[in-house]
Order: sequence, then C-alpha cells, then structure tokens
Amino acid sequence: DQQVKQNSPSLSVQEGRISILNCDYTNSMFDYFLWYKKYPAEGPTFLISISSIKDKNEDGRFTVFLNKSAKHLSLHIVPSQPGDSAVYFCAAKGISGNMLTFGGGTRLMVKP
Amino acid sequence: NAGVTQTPKFQVLKTGQSMTLQCAQDMNHNSMYWYRQDPGMGLRLIYYSASEGTTDKGEVPNGYNVSRLNKREFSLRLESAAPSQTSVYFCASSPQGAGYNEQFFGPGTRLTVL
Repeated sequence: DQQVKQNSPSLSVQEGRISILNCDYTNSMFDYFLWYKKYPAEGPTFLISISSIKDKNEDGRFTVFLNKSAKHLSLHIVPSQPGDSAVYFCAAKGISGNMLTFGGGTRLMVKP
Repeated sequence: NAGVTQTPKFQVLKTGQSMTLQCAQDMNHNSMYWYRQDPGMGLRLIYYSASEGTTDKGEVPNGYNVSRLNKREFSLRLESAAPSQTSVYFCASSPQGAGYNEQFFGPGTRLTVL
C-alpha cells in the first residue's frame, strides 16, 4: 500500500501558465515533505520542502502548500517555463530517522 | 566536489550473474541509501546505512546485499541477478541529525537483466 501517492502520472501546461502538481499521503507520522525534480538520465535534485508545522513555503517561482487535515500537499510553479519539463517526485519523512518515502512521480510538460 | 558518484552508468547482465554497484560521496555525509526506480513506482528504498558500520533493510531488500566500506563508499551487490531486478538504481547520501532532511542523489545506474 503506497503511503505517498501522486495520482496524476502526467501534466501538460502552456508556458507562462501555472502548473499544479498534487500529492496525497496516508501516514500521519510524516512530519516533513519534499519535492524533487528529475531530468532524464540524471538523479533527482531537491527542489523545495515544507515542515508539518507550516502550511506554505515559497522559493521564487515554486510554492508548496500543505493541508495536514486532508493529508495533501501541492507544488505550484508560476510562471511555468519549458525548462521545468521534468518528472516531479513528492517525498515524505517521518519523525524519526532520515528515510524518505516517495510518490510515483508526475511528468510535467511545459509547452512553448 | 563531485557530490555522489555511481559506477557503472549502464550494465547488462544475464540471469544468474552477479555484480556490484559502486557509490561514493565526498560531502562527508553520515547516511547513505540505495533506491531503485521503476515506472509508476517512484523510488523505493532497498537498503540504507545511517552511519559508518551500520546497514538496515529498506522497503525492497530481497535479492540484494550492501556493504558500507567506509564513510565515503556504499556498495550494492546482486548475487544472482533476475529479470525483476531490471531497473534504474540510485545512490543517495545525507547528513545525519535533526534539521537535515534533504538527500543528495547520484546520476544512477541503468541495469538490464536478460
């Protein structure tokens, strides 16, 4: 049973518009959430994160929102650029230890 | 500062063959991890090493063994490869302790088992 789910395998957005990537989790013991970006033939790279004590974290064009009651987080990219085209993974960490649990990923395609 | 390096980048094995995937990091991190990535499954943890001298099973350890050779190096061994182990393998590292949540990934090894 997947504890972290990304229900949209792919998303296509026009350049300049907003991209919204969603992630749901089931384990209430997760206390930290991360988004990773992955280009083909490369390893994932860290993008942005949020602690469970916050409901929003912003870094330039990227904003992550956390709704603890719904066990849902989302990544907003505004404005979207063609270079943002990649696979985005949501990940969650428990209170103890450094292990991450990943979602299945969403492939974002930003069209010029 | 190379970060996390992995060798080889690509490998093709026949069923039953063995091989070792190598990983090294130069960031002085305590913790290291091995993941596999399969389509639609995200990254699944195979084994991890919280610190030098310790290793623990992750979500999908069957068919694999690991060795934490020293603080820098963490290897993954397939003793008898099976087609189900065809995947992309990623090594990662992280500092240990409260406040350190991010993991840093290597470029991956694409393994095909025929």
